[in-house]
Amino acid sequence: GAGVSQSPSNKVTEKGKDVELRCDPISGHTALYWYRQSLGQGLEFLIYFQGNSAPDKSGLPSDRFSAERTGGSVSTLTIQRTQQEDSAVYLCASRFGGSETQYFGPGTRLLVL
Amino acid sequence: DAKTTQPPSMDCAEGRAANLPCNHSTISGNEYVYWYRQIHSQGPQYIIHGLKNNETNEMASLIITEDRKSSTLILPHATLRDTAVYYCIVRATYYGGSQGNLIFGKGTKLSVKP
Repeated sequence: GAGVSQSPSNKVTEKGKDVELRCDPISGHTALYWYRQSLGQGLEFLIYFQGNSAPDKSGLPSDRFSAERTGGSVSTLTIQRTQQEDSAVYLCASRFGGSETQYFGPGTRLLVL
Repeated sequence: DAKTTQPPSMDCAEGRAANLPCNHSTISGNEYVYWYRQIHSQGPQYIIHGLKNNETNEMASLIITEDRKSSTLILPHATLRDTAVYYCIVRATYYGGSQGNLIFGKGTKLSVKP
């Protein structure tokens, strides 16, 4: 079946603008994660959704970052008033409830000028 | 999650087996060993995981030492498409919560050469 998809694949924005990144998880996967990967660095956990439970936002770096997951499926990560240090690849992953394996999307490459 | 140690880089000739080591000397009894890889400009890809028995799937084999303090990922016939950064991750099973997020280290950059 289809894998995790993310859009846009690339986004260039100006400092101070807001951006929205979208993630479509694998159908039926109840868990969804957002990660960030800066150039040459490992993955940084941002936020985690599991079913209808309150999301785990412990990884969000500032209050400019927020995410929502509508209907237990599609998720949107919003970055307000973007800064140059927000430039990174934003990765989404989903997991079936009873499985340990996370499946990643191709990522959105964000460049803040 | 327990800390893992991997060599920063390795080379392998195309068609030969690639053996990627990982040390996890502080692993706990309920922690699994996971391997993911990340090909350039792509998201990470799950490869294999195991607890204490050796595991094999269509992508690779995972050999875990008896004391579980180290493991080796084996790609039996490496191809140019296997060039990627390989991450060894040790973590417990979980049932929800932030324990589910993966913690990637620096990994091993495997270069498969013709």
